[in-house]
Amino acid sequence: ETGVTQTPRHLVMGMTNKKSLKCEQHLGHNAMYWYKQSAKKPLELMFVYNFKEQTENNSVPSRFSPECPNSSHLFLHLHTLQPEDSALYLCASSLDRGDIQYFGAGTRLSVL
Amino acid sequence: AQSVAQPEDQVNVAEGNPLTVKCTYSVSGNPYLFWYVQYPNRGLQFLLKYITGDNLVKGSYGFEAEFNKSQTSFHLKKPSALVSDSALYFCAVSRTNSGNTPLVFGKGTRLSVIA
Repeated sequence: ETGVTQTPRHLVMGMTNKKSLKCEQHLGHNAMYWYKQSAKKPLELMFVYNFKEQTENNSVPSRFSPECPNSSHLFLHLHTLQPEDSALYLCASSLDRGDIQYFGAGTRLSVL
Repeated sequence: AQSVAQPEDQVNVAEGNPLTVKCTYSVSGNPYLFWYVQYPNRGLQFLLKYITGDNLVKGSYGFEAEFNKSQTSFHLKKPSALVSDSALYFCAVSRTNSGNTPLVFGKGTRLSVIA
């Protein structure tokens, strides 16, 4: 148990659906992250939030929309996804941006 | 910009033998270096980190890593491998000066320990 909780663990959605992924940490961390992990590809950093402000967006398509209402919660809103968006989405948090990151177990997303 | 290279996609080792998973890095300034492990259907778990001081860093589950500044390497090692060590291993680096930057991860090395 890392202290970072992601829900749901599994999600199947159609290309026209709208869904949200949730990440929660109660470690007192100030930075939170979304990563995409696809088979046979390196871990891709998608978004970084530091003190609730977005500090990085690594050219992520607009069909992925992050939200960080407070330092403990991070959401990833999904709409009109493509089959190639199927992947394991990992959330992480750290005390500071250069610090040890603690990861959630991930959400396995399948887009049909 | 910082980067990490893990030159081996796959490492196979017999149980009880020593293991090494290689990592080299590129960063301006002083690096923070990390190793993580990922088991199937799980997130990444922190193993160990190097910030400063002793070049040999000891971490969880009997793993250690040696920082070599001249070779810009941070190889992960374990004296005696276990079957349960089979997993995906990631090296990561962040830059310490001019403000901390998020970790940059390598592509991962799959370790298989054979009984």
